[in-house]
Amino acid sequence: DAGVTQSPTHLIKTRGQQVTLRCSPKSGHDTVSWYQQALGQGPQFIFQYYEEEERQRGNFPDRFSGHQFPNYSSELNVNALLLGDSALYLCASSSNNYGYTFGSGTRLTVV
Amino acid sequence: AQSVTQLDSQVPVFEEAPVELRCNYSSSVSVYLFWYVQYPNQGLQLLLKYLSGSTLVKGINGFEAEFNKSQTSFHLRKPSVHISDTAEYFCAVSEPNDYKLSFGAGTTVTVRA
Repeated sequence: DAGVTQSPTHLIKTRGQQVTLRCSPKSGHDTVSWYQQALGQGPQFIFQYYEEEERQRGNFPDRFSGHQFPNYSSELNVNALLLGDSALYLCASSSNNYGYTFGSGTRLTVV
Repeated sequence: AQSVTQLDSQVPVFEEAPVELRCNYSSSVSVYLFWYVQYPNQGLQLLLKYLSGSTLVKGINGFEAEFNKSQTSFHLRKPSVHISDTAEYFCAVSEPNDYKLSFGAGTTVTVRA
């Protein structure tokens, strides 16, 4: 049974560019959450998608947006990249709000 | 909003010695509590969780944690660590009607032979 799959694993972008990260949830999970983990810090909640809608959002600017598809997979889009957006981006899937499974993350470096 | 404080940023420990990682959260309302482990260049793996019931929770790899509502704490323990337990450990909290996990800053455990 595949867990949460994220792609790509690593990415290098230039300031001002846009990036799309992808996540396939664990089988049986219908909810996807995205987290940003800066170096040396704990993960910070970006938003959660359920039934193809953004259900809850953390304290992130509108440059961060997302989408959930009918097969429950999800994308995270970040526009106008800043150096401070460099981080590990984690996707977590669940079928309730106390059983989260995390992927291995996408390491984004903005230069 | 919940906040989580992990009281130790780094914990060095010798192999086969016990370890305790301390975690306090901000609110006394009903909460769900979690401990995750992160190995270098990997995602988060769930060690254990408290949802309700017994305050002593047993997890994977010999870890256990005790929920103390009056002290708003959820400390993680292992009686005898191995070199392979070297990793970053995160305490997290959520509320029943909230969908996000709030994480602490993490505790780096380094196990030495």
